[in-house]
Formats: sequence, C-alpha cells, structure tokens
Amino acid sequence: GAVVSQHPSRVICKSGTSVKIECRSLDFQATTMFWYRQFPKQSLMLMATSNEGSKATYEQGVEKDKFLINHASLTLSTLTVTSAHPEDSSFYICSARAQGGPNEKLFFGSGTQLSVL
Amino acid sequence: QKEVEQDPGPLSVPEGAIVSLNCTYSNSAFQYFMWYRQYSRKGPELLMYTYSSGNKEDGRFTAQVDKSSKYISLFIRDSQPSDSATYLCAMSEGGSYIPTFGRGTSLIVHP
Repeated sequence: GAVVSQHPSRVICKSGTSVKIECRSLDFQATTMFWYRQFPKQSLMLMATSNEGSKATYEQGVEKDKFLINHASLTLSTLTVTSAHPEDSSFYICSARAQGGPNEKLFFGSGTQLSVL
Repeated sequence: QKEVEQDPGPLSVPEGAIVSLNCTYSNSAFQYFMWYRQYSRKGPELLMYTYSSGNKEDGRFTAQVDKSSKYISLFIRDSQPSDSATYLCAMSEGGSYIPTFGRGTSLIVHP
C-alpha cells in the first residue's frame, strides 16, 4: 500500500507554545487529507478535511484558529496546534486519499502523540 | 445513538481461535464498509474493504456485510498473538468519502 509519513511521532511542549505536525504522502499525490484526533480507547474523531490549494473544512466544534491546517502541495499537509494547552494533549493522526481514489485508497500516518505540560 | 456502534472489549482469546468482531450501524445510506487494524500508538492500517452486502475473504480474514440488519463482521481464523491490536470498523455513504469510525474493539490473542 501507499505510504503516509507523519512527523513527529511524539512531542512534549510547554503550555502556550505552538506545535506543527507534518503529514506527507510519499509515493502518491493526495488531493485530500484528513486530520483526526484520538483519545485513549476512543474512536477516531475527524477534525478537518484539507484539500490541496484551498481552505480546510473543519468539523463542528473544532476551532479553526486553534488548529491551523495548510495543504500547500499534493504531498504535504500540516496541522499547527497554536497556543497549546494541556487539554490539547491527544493522539493526532493524518490520512491521505489518492487522487480519484475511493475509500479503499485512504492511507493513514503513524500518528503524533502530543503532550502539553 | 451513535451512527456506528462497536463493543470496545477487550476480547481475549487463545492462539488458534476463530475471532468474530462486529459493528452495527443506523445509517442505511452507508455503502462502503471497511475494517482497520491499529496497533498501540500507531495509525490504522486498512485490512478489508467491502462494497454493499456480501462476503469478502483475504487470507485468514473474512468480512461480512448484512445491510438488511445493518450489521458487519470481521472473522479472523487461526488467530495469532501478532493479531493482538484494536480493530476499527468504518463505513461511508456512496459518493461521500469521509468514513465514520466505530470506537474499536481491543483484541488480545494469548499464546
């Protein structure tokens, strides 16, 4: 299957700082990328959908000024958690869909564990 | 009621057992059904993908979809300790590519 690379895998930061997470599709072009958040023993919660070259679409209840998403190219999307607070601590996962692909071509990154002190 | 219901477990079985994992859903518009495997602190990995009703087999894995009952299953034959992971079901409507996930079932296969 295709490879989606997500970095960093783990980050610990102080409250009030900003954290950037990168998601790259390594061997295919991704017109759409999705950002999820997952709490322990809970399902994936969709935060936003990002399309290359346009603004991201945020799910209800997700603060767009808090979670900045940039999808500047067909292989890279970034999620920036601005002014992070302890309640933002969570496991963040990106996924990427190949151009024109159905759901079976949705590939996930390995996730980023964010801990805000 | 959530759109997709999945028992979180954990489900503990001995090595070699047949495992049955299930999800129910309420949205009759769902057309695509998927099973993902997620190891601890890793991203989900697509295992099976099924369109509409029916069965699909891939090695030791069999996915079943019963749209009339709004019920899907994943069977794992000859389970191995390496199958120990969380299994998430996911589904989406035809024409919409954003899947709705179940909360996942934790499976433990002990030697």
